[in-house]
Amino acid sequence: EDQVTQSPEALRLQEGESSSLNCSYTVSGLRGLFWYRQDPGKGPEFLFTLYSAGEEKEKERLKATLTKKESFLHITAPKPEDSATYLCAVQAHSGGYQKVTFGTGTKLQVIP
Amino acid sequence: GAGVSQSPSNKVTEKGKDVELRCDPISGHTALYWYRQSLGQGLEFLIYFQGNSAPDKSGLPSDRFSAERTGGSVSTLTIQRTQQEDSAVYLCASSLVRGGENIQYFGAGTRLSVL
Repeated sequence: EDQVTQSPEALRLQEGESSSLNCSYTVSGLRGLFWYRQDPGKGPEFLFTLYSAGEEKEKERLKATLTKKESFLHITAPKPEDSATYLCAVQAHSGGYQKVTFGTGTKLQVIP
Repeated sequence: GAGVSQSPSNKVTEKGKDVELRCDPISGHTALYWYRQSLGQGLEFLIYFQGNSAPDKSGLPSDRFSAERTGGSVSTLTIQRTQQEDSAVYLCASSLVRGGENIQYFGAGTRLSVL
């Protein structure tokens, strides 16, 4: 069974204080790893897809990296508007089936 | 609209009543998912539709839950004889599976409260 574990559950940062969120996964053949951002009262919003170990993607203050067992979401010099819950998800190779398994998320709070 | 639309945004019902939740996916997206998100929990997969294939219902928690997708577009999730433990946010997502990539676009969800 595919599993996704995110840590920490919650993270409080001062504005400008860089940090990383972790996503550990076990999957029978990774097809893709996804990062989403979820604001209160809204559905998750897509950020990145990573496909193979060593791959990196960046968007503004966010950078996602991938190894064979985990992914990191690095946040550089965060701002209060980066406060949200960040979700990680994996999609496995499973024939034609496109099931995606989500982690429970890391709730990030950036203090001005 | 260009995004995934869900209705109603909020639903309060009494225990034992049936409810229907609606999802309008992004036009042209062939895949549609339903998830349940309880307070402080991750997204729990419920059901998945892909084109004309039989849906994957492996995530439905009981036979009180069912879903259909008409004409490959709009989907309805039905919960019969609601229980208090059904209270959660129900999220719908659609995606266009292309080249193996499966980026899901989510609606804002329906918050269900069972009294």
